[in-house]
Amino acid sequence: EVQLVESGGGLVQPGRSLKLSCAASGFTFSDYNMAWVRQAPKKGLEWVATISYDGSSTYYRDSVKGRFTISRDNAKSTLYLQMDSLRSEDTATYYCARHLGASWYFDYWGQGVMVTVSS
Amino acid sequence: DVQMTQSPSYLAASPGESVSISCKASKSISNNLAWYQEKPGKANKLLIHSGSTLQSGTPSRFSGSGSGTDFTLTIRSLESEDFAVYYCQQYNEYPLTFGSGTKLEIK
Repeated sequence: EVQLVESGGGLVQPGRSLKLSCAASGFTFSDYNMAWVRQAPKKGLEWVATISYDGSSTYYRDSVKGRFTISRDNAKSTLYLQMDSLRSEDTATYYCARHLGASWYFDYWGQGVMVTVSS
Repeated sequence: DVQMTQSPSYLAASPGESVSISCKASKSISNNLAWYQEKPGKANKLLIHSGSTLQSGTPSRFSGSGSGTDFTLTIRSLESEDFAVYYCQQYNEYPLTFGSGTKLEIK
């Protein structure tokens, strides 16, 4: 059974950093492109970043470029999101999601982890 | 960026009825469209990809249609488990973008 379990969320002050992790199991992690998607309170879904199966390619939405870094450790079957210079508008539930094959839709999602940016 | 306009934002229906949700892209996305179901306390579920291809495990009462800019998700003979929030997503180009969601509630 495919499982994606996020961790590392919490309350952080504006301008500070936080690192999210996503532990994957039930599939060969190194075969899949992975992503982070977020959802602000009472809002819709917003794609944040994607990383290729081998980590060689990354893609970001403009609003997080230069502040967020997506990475992965295939030996540990773990996906990461390093979030620096956090802003109040980054407050959201962050979901880890798996891309299916070479397509850019998501066939599995985690249950999410909450990040609150506030002083 | 490709803007995805989803409508209606809210829909009330009774079990056994059929409903349709629309998703319009601001430019052609071919058939690179997916539909998801969101339920409280559960991971989001992929229902349909490639505009009309049912993901394994999606009940046949769900169907997707459209290509280019106009897409529709139809649910026939609603069951109690179908009351949820539905999102469309285009994956034709980056940034990947979602519709604003449709909340389907029991009438």
